[in-house]
Amino acid sequence: GNSVTQMEGPVTLSEEAFLTINCTYTATGYPSLFWYVQYPGEGLQLLLKATKADDKGSNKGFEATYRKETTSFHLEKGSVQVSDSAVYFCALINTGGGNKLTFGTGTQLKVEL
Amino acid sequence: GAVVSQHPSRVICKSGTSVKIECRSLDFQATTMFWYRQFPKQSLMLMATSNEGSKATYEQGVEKDKFLINHASLTLSTLTVTSAHPEDSSFYICSARPSGQGTNTGELFFGEGSRLTVL
Repeated sequence: GNSVTQMEGPVTLSEEAFLTINCTYTATGYPSLFWYVQYPGEGLQLLLKATKADDKGSNKGFEATYRKETTSFHLEKGSVQVSDSAVYFCALINTGGGNKLTFGTGTQLKVEL
Repeated sequence: GAVVSQHPSRVICKSGTSVKIECRSLDFQATTMFWYRQFPKQSLMLMATSNEGSKATYEQGVEKDKFLINHASLTLSTLTVTSAHPEDSSFYICSARPSGQGTNTGELFFGEGSRLTVL
C-alpha cells in the first residue's frame, strides 16, 4: 500500500535560516505528490504539488522536487519567516490507492526571531 | 479561494451521548467530501468518503454504525459520533473536492477541524 514518511518535529529555526523537511514515499505506479500546510487554528491548505518525476513544485518561496529515483519530495525554503510557523504535511495520491490522499505524520515548524 | 467550514470547532460531551459535526463548503459545490481523524503526532487517518445522495464508503476498521455520515446536499456533510466513549476523543477533519474536479488531482479543501472530548 501507499505510505509517506516525514521527519519528526518540531523543527525550530531562526528567522532567515534555510529549511529542509524530508519526505519519502512508498507507492505503486506514478503518484502525484503534495505538501499541505496547516497554520494554527486553520484547516490544511495546499502549498505545492508535483505530478510527475523531476517536476518542481513551488509556492511562497517553498520548493520541492519529485525525485522518483530516491522516492523523495523534500520541502525547502531558502529563508524562513516567523509567519511560516505551521505544521507541514507531505502527501501522495495515485490510482493504486483508490485516488485517496495518503498523508505523512506532519512536521511542526517553529521559526523564532 | 474555496472555503470549507466545520462546526463546532470544539465540543465536550458525556459518555453515551451522540455528537454531530457539520462540514460545509461555503462557496463551491462538493459531490465528494472526506472525513479524517487525527491523533496527536500522527497522520490524518481517512475514515470515510462521503458522496452526495449516496451511502458513505468507510475505510477498513471504521465502524459505520458508530460514525454516521450523511451527505444530503452538495454543500453539507455531517458526521455523527453515536454513543460516544472517551476513546472517541480526537480531532476530526473534513475535506471537500469541488464538483467536476478530477478524482486524482489531490487538491482538496479542508475544514478547520473539530476537537471532540468525551468525558
